[in-house]
Amino acid sequence: GENVEQHPSTLSVQEGDSAVIKCTYSDSASNYFPWYKQELGKRPQLIIDIRSNVGEKKDQRIAVTLNKTAKHFSLHITETQPEDSAVYFCAATMKSGSARQLTFGSGTQLTVLP
Amino acid sequence: DTGVSQDPRHKITKRGQNVTFRCDPISEHNRLYWYRQTLGQGPEFLTYFQNEAQLEKSRLLSDRFSAERPKGSFSTLEIQRTEQGDSAMYLCASSLASGGAFEQYFGPGTRLTVT
Repeated sequence: GENVEQHPSTLSVQEGDSAVIKCTYSDSASNYFPWYKQELGKRPQLIIDIRSNVGEKKDQRIAVTLNKTAKHFSLHITETQPEDSAVYFCAATMKSGSARQLTFGSGTQLTVLP
Repeated sequence: DTGVSQDPRHKITKRGQNVTFRCDPISEHNRLYWYRQTLGQGPEFLTYFQNEAQLEKSRLLSDRFSAERPKGSFSTLEIQRTEQGDSAMYLCASSLASGGAFEQYFGPGTRLTVT
């Protein structure tokens, strides 16, 4: 099955700086890579995703890059703000029959210092 | 609120008791997933429904766990003879099975504490 590793487990940045979180996956058949933001006590919220047919996707201050050859993908947050502080999870999925079960990384606690 | 909803939000139970959780997906979504999340970890897949059919179950889902989606709308997850190791956040997610949609949207979860 799929295995997703995520680094770093904690990340502190100054407000306005950039943050980068990296994930690697094991199954080359994986074709969809979402990122979720989870604030304390709240639901995981989908913030951006990328499919295997593109290498980069951007949405305002958030971007995701994918390197299929190396089997890794990264989340980039620019101009960080205190409200970006949360746990971020990467995930990977492949189509298995009709299912698209997500395999998650272990999370990165991002703290943006004012 | 048109998002995924779950009930109850919190459940405290004694070891050995049975518990049941409910998930209401986004109305037009025909795929429904259950995940379990323990402290400091990412969610782990438990089971998946397309309409009323349960199509996949993780090996994490022991025979004490059962899930249903009787009319292809809401789903229930029952845990029988709860154990302390069952303490976790149980998350439900839904997605749309058309147009190549991949996105899964999560509910707020049910936090289970087994004492």
